[in-house]
Amino acid sequence: GAVVSQHPSWVICKSGTSVKIECRSLDFQATTMFWYRQFPKQSLMLMATSNEGSKATYEQGVEKDKFLINHASLTLSTLTVTSAHPEDSSFYICSASVVVAGGRADTQYFGPGTRLTVL
Amino acid sequence: RKEVEQDPGPFNVPEGATVAFNCTYSNSASQSFFWYRQDCRKEPKLLMSVYSSGNEDGRFTAQLNRASQYISLLIRDSKLSDSATYLCVVNVNNDMRFGAGTRLTVKP
Repeated sequence: GAVVSQHPSWVICKSGTSVKIECRSLDFQATTMFWYRQFPKQSLMLMATSNEGSKATYEQGVEKDKFLINHASLTLSTLTVTSAHPEDSSFYICSASVVVAGGRADTQYFGPGTRLTVL
Repeated sequence: RKEVEQDPGPFNVPEGATVAFNCTYSNSASQSFFWYRQDCRKEPKLLMSVYSSGNEDGRFTAQLNRASQYISLLIRDSKLSDSATYLCVVNVNNDMRFGAGTRLTVKP
C-alpha cells in the first residue's frame, strides 16, 4: 500500500524559532499533498493544499507567510512553521494523493503526524 | 451548515453489538466518499471507500445515498479494537473535506 512518512515525529522548540516538517511519499508519486493541523479532541483542519511545482493553496485564516509550504518534487513536501509561538503547538499531519483518470484525486494517505510543542 | 456533518458521539457499546454511523454532506457535486478511522494521537487510516452500490468489507458495511446526501457505516459484532474515532470524508473537486468524527468506545 501507499506509505507516507513524516519527519520529525515530534519536536519541542523555543518560541520564536522556525520548525521544518518533511512529508514524503515513499512508494508512489504524489501529485497533491495536503497539510492538516489537529488540536486535542478536535477534528482535522485543512491548512493548505500543494501541487508539485506550484504555489500552495491556503485555507481561509491560515497565514501563508507563517506556514511556508514547498512541494519541490512528487515525493516531498515541507511545511515550515516560522517564528513559532505556543499557540502553534499542535499535531501536524500531511497526506498525499494521486490524481487519477478524469482529474479526480484518489484516496489520501496520511503520514504519521508531527507533534509540535512550542515552549 | 457544515460541509460534512457527523454525530460526534460518543457511542459506547458492548462487545458484539452492531453500531451505525451516519454522515451528511452539503455539496451535491461531491464525487467520492470515504470512511477513515483515527486512533488517539495517531494519523487517520483509510477504512474503506464508499461506492454508489454500497460495499462490504468483513464486519464493515458502507452505503451511499446520493439523493439524501448521506453516507453510512455499519459495524457488526463490535470488537474492543474498533474503539476509535471514525471520520467521514467527502471529495469535492479534489478538495477532501473531513467531518469532525464520531467517537466509538466498545466496552467488554
